[in-house]
Amino acid sequence: GAVVSQHPSRVICKSGTSVKIECRSLDFQATTMFWYRQFPKKSLMLMATSNEGSKATYEQGVEKDKFLINHASLTLSTLTVTSAHPEDSSFYICSAYTRQGSGTEAFFGQGTRLTVV
Amino acid sequence: SQKIEQNSEALNIQEGKTATLTCNYTNYSPAYLQWYRQDPGRGPVFLLLIRENEKEKRKERLKVTFDTTLKQSLFHITASQPADSATYLCALGRGAGNMLTFGGGTRLMVKP
Repeated sequence: GAVVSQHPSRVICKSGTSVKIECRSLDFQATTMFWYRQFPKKSLMLMATSNEGSKATYEQGVEKDKFLINHASLTLSTLTVTSAHPEDSSFYICSAYTRQGSGTEAFFGQGTRLTVV
Repeated sequence: SQKIEQNSEALNIQEGKTATLTCNYTNYSPAYLQWYRQDPGRGPVFLLLIRENEKEKRKERLKVTFDTTLKQSLFHITASQPADSATYLCALGRGAGNMLTFGGGTRLMVKP
């Protein structure tokens, strides 16, 4: 199956700094990628839809100036958490769809555990 | 508003038994329903997809049913093993490439 690689898997940063998370589709092109946030023992919360070559679409309540998304190519989307604060500590996961076969299967990255101290 | 409900309490079963997880939804007409497995600290992994016109789907020890009248899907793991212990998420979608809406997940614990 298709592979989505997310990096880094873990990051600890100081409050006020920015952190960039990369999401790559390794063997397919992804015109659309999704970024989720997950709190402990909770489900995935969609943050934004990342569209290659255009602006991301953010879900209600998600600050676009705080969570910057750049989808510069068909295989790479990045999420930058700007001026991070302890409340931004969470598990962030990206996903992408392929348009092969059913075209409806989502492939997820490994996730990034962000801890802001 | 759309709502997808999975039993938030953990399901504990004995090895060798059949585990049955439930996914109920309201205010939604999905074209398909998917089940994912998520291990702690990892991203979800796709298991099965069932379409609105399908009643049942099987894959090895897994079986999924989809009742669009009841607005419910059941996910079965037969001959369960401790390695099946994980959180299982159901997700609904409408079209190819459309975004998925996830349920809260149910944690399954299979005891040896």
